[in-house]
Amino acid sequence: QITLKESGPTLVKPTQTLTLTCTFSGFSLSSSGVGVGWIRQPPGKALEWLAIIYWDDHHRYSPSLRSRLTITKDTSKNQVVLTMTNMDPLDTATYYCAHSGDWGLHYWGQGTLVTVSS
Amino acid sequence: QSVLTQSPSASGTPGQRVTISCSGSSSNIGDNNVYWYQQFPGTAPKPLIYRNSQRPSGVPDRFSGSKSGTSASLAISGLRSEDEADYYCATWDDSLSGWVFGGGTKLTVL
Repeated sequence: QITLKESGPTLVKPTQTLTLTCTFSGFSLSSSGVGVGWIRQPPGKALEWLAIIYWDDHHRYSPSLRSRLTITKDTSKNQVVLTMTNMDPLDTATYYCAHSGDWGLHYWGQGTLVTVSS
Repeated sequence: QSVLTQSPSASGTPGQRVTISCSGSSSNIGDNNVYWYQQFPGTAPKPLIYRNSQRPSGVPDRFSGSKSGTSASLAISGLRSEDEADYYCATWDDSLSGWVFGGGTKLTVL
């Protein structure tokens, strides 16, 4: 059974750096073809893909946010970490991590709401 | 502005068939599989369709997906009140080298 869970601060101040951790089970991020991605959703708005990291350490970022994002993995801990610098109130959103494999972004975490406010 | 275009809303009465469309381009839908998600308020998206037309186990066969060229559709037949939710399409975009989502369609069951 594949599960993912996001963790991190619920409140960050403008200009601060956000660090989110996705802790997963039921699969290995060293298995060929597997990846973990991050997606966010501002309140009342659409889903927006942020970044993805693969079993072979390749990674991709949303072009509009590339300069602010870093995604890393710790295979031994079954964790993927996303950092986003220079947070702004417009970054207030629910942040999801999801397993990427043969079925696309198929398994999702429950999401974590991050509010950016002073 | 989402890369994939969906109508913001759709509606139908119980028992009806409703279709939700998703329009893209040659660099995304035209060249990659399309995925559909159902989302209820306050919950994570749930996968409905993968690889254009495949249903995960547990998804009723009332839900079906198709793709043609640079567009895709999600059809819901025998509409039920519990189908009232937001629906999103998604795919990989070769030009952007990343996943792209539609803006979402809010389905109302009248």
